[in-house]
Order: sequence, then structure tokens, then C-alpha cells
Amino acid sequence: GEEVAQTPKHLVRGEGQKAKLYCAPIKGHSYVFWYQQVLKNEFKFLISFQNENVFDETGMPKERFSAKCLPNSPCSLEIQATKLEDSAVYFCASSQFPSGSFTDTQYFGPGTRLTVL
Amino acid sequence: EDKVVQSPLSLVVHEGDTVTLNCSYEVTNFRSLLWYKQEKKAPTFLFMLTSSGIEKKSGRLSSILDKKEPFSILNITATQTGDSAVYLCASTNFGNEKLTFGTGTRLTIIP
Repeated sequence: GEEVAQTPKHLVRGEGQKAKLYCAPIKGHSYVFWYQQVLKNEFKFLISFQNENVFDETGMPKERFSAKCLPNSPCSLEIQATKLEDSAVYFCASSQFPSGSFTDTQYFGPGTRLTVL
Repeated sequence: EDKVVQSPLSLVVHEGDTVTLNCSYEVTNFRSLLWYKQEKKAPTFLFMLTSSGIEKKSGRLSSILDKKEPFSILNITATQTGDSAVYLCASTNFGNEKLTFGTGTRLTIIP
């Protein structure tokens, strides 16, 4: 598609429950990024993929967060045993070319608002 | 650690005024600086700057980069109420693809 699609728009979970978020990048884009935005504050980078391979996972909390981008499927971000501090908007972005090409603009999806109660 | 700082944090002006938003950065192996506009949901792309001194323009918006200082500014002339949003500045560097964001400037235009 021509836009990054994210589902669901909203997700409410009780503390300790699992949450799974999905992202379909723009068709033809090789890179997918996940960011977390807490309370309208700055974006925190979580993880990036080049096609189905993890490119950079330095922002991922190791214990409860995992992500995948499998061929012919939306990418996913999963949080096991959610905590109150996981409440945030999770944005997915995609871009077309790798570093050095100067066409590395990332296009963002509408986000998934996760509320942990 | 890479750092992007925006100022002011918030700005309230009247319709028709001109505003200048600032973004300074400390980035290892700097590659590009991007400006985004965030209204209610997804940040929408405005500009990407890679070279010093070359102004990018789109309608009433323009932006320029100074790699020596280093900083960037975003100018909006003849502001309209539809310009009300959070404006985000982000950097990229060679070696990884992630965006490092500033905290944003919340711009409010009063009719």
C-alpha cells in the first residue's frame, strides 16, 4: 500500500497480559522501525528490520519485548506481561533505502495506543 | 549518545505571524536532519536536510541546515490555524538507520 498501516488503533490490557501490535509497511520499503512515544514526549527507538532481518535492536527492552517481520506477513511487536509504564503510542515507520543513499526518509503509520490498566 | 534539542518547547502566536523553530544536535557520523509535523497522530514528513546552507522550501515552510554549528531552523511565514501542531526534529547518522528525535516544539496559532 501507499501508507504504513498499523492495527489495532487502540489496545487495552490489564497489567501482566500480553499485547501484540501489527504494522504493514509501504509496499517496496525494505526497512521497518518501531518507536514508542510516551505521553506526547519524545520518541524512543525500539527496533529496526531490514526485510525480515533484525537490523538494530539496541532500543528494545530485552526481557518482555519481541518483534518479527516475516515474509508476506505484517510485522509485529509483542509485549509479554505488560506493565503500567508500557502505556504509550507505538509507531511503526518504513523507509526505502539503506544508509548513504539520502533517500532514507521514514514514513510513519498512525500508531497504536496501548493502555495498560 | 546522540542528542537532539529543540527550542522553544512551546510557542503561541497570532495568525499571520512568522515563526522560527530551532533544532540543535550532537550526532556522531551525522547524515541527515529531518523535520516532521505531528498533529493528532502520525508525524508527517516535511523536509530532509543533508547539506549546509541549502534552503528547502515548501509553500510557507522553509528549512535550512548549518552543519558547522550545528543546527537547523524551520520557518513558517504567514501562519494559519492549520499550522498548529508539534514540530519534531530528528537526526540520522551513518551506520544505523534510526531517527533520534528532539522533544518537539508545540506551536499554537491563535485566530
